[in-house]
Amino acid sequence: ILNVEQSPQSLHVQEGDSTNFTCSFPSSNFYALHWYRWETAKSPEALFVMTLNGDEKKKGRISATLNTKEGYSYLYIKGSQPEDSATYLCAFRDDYKLSFGAGTTVTVRA
Amino acid sequence: DAGVIQSPRHEVTEMGQEVTLRCKPISGHNSLFWYRQTMMRGLELLIYFNNNVPIDDSGMPEDRFSAKMPNASFSTLKIQPSEPRDSAVYFCASSFGKGRGYEQYFGPGTRLTVT
Repeated sequence: ILNVEQSPQSLHVQEGDSTNFTCSFPSSNFYALHWYRWETAKSPEALFVMTLNGDEKKKGRISATLNTKEGYSYLYIKGSQPEDSATYLCAFRDDYKLSFGAGTTVTVRA
Repeated sequence: DAGVIQSPRHEVTEMGQEVTLRCKPISGHNSLFWYRQTMMRGLELLIYFNNNVPIDDSGMPEDRFSAKMPNASFSTLKIQPSEPRDSAVYFCASSFGKGRGYEQYFGPGTRLTVT
């Protein structure tokens, strides 16, 4: 079982504030790092696939960075909105297999 | 694009009964994955098919679980007999390609409750 850790487990953000959280993963046998956004009773929605050290990806107000040498990725939300409330999952992929972290649950307060 | 389709969305059954979960992957995708999500273990891979062939079933909990993919557009996950500890959300995901940058797309899941 691969050790993929996310922190914090949960966080509360005021609307309009920016926030970020971490995913740490093994630095060996790295293929890709995936980020998903998961709302209750829905399917996980793919945000990013990151494959190269130093990768930066952006989708709207959400962005992510990747450091494969030290085994971590940050996800940033700029100017949080209530619709950003969800659980954000990262998953380490070695070949085809995704190993998921437990997620960071973000609650944006209006 | 219909996305990954799963049925049923909810299933409630009694212990000992057979349960069959169904998945239709995205058209053109050649890989299919079954995951189980529980509070204790989070999201974990049960089985992986590539071009309809089971490649890795090491995550299948025990012999009560079986999965098939008779063709590129359909897969089933069967539990026989079911037990209360099988209660979980079961997700199916599909993808295309085998390089580093491919994405896995998830279905809406089937919430299984075994009483």
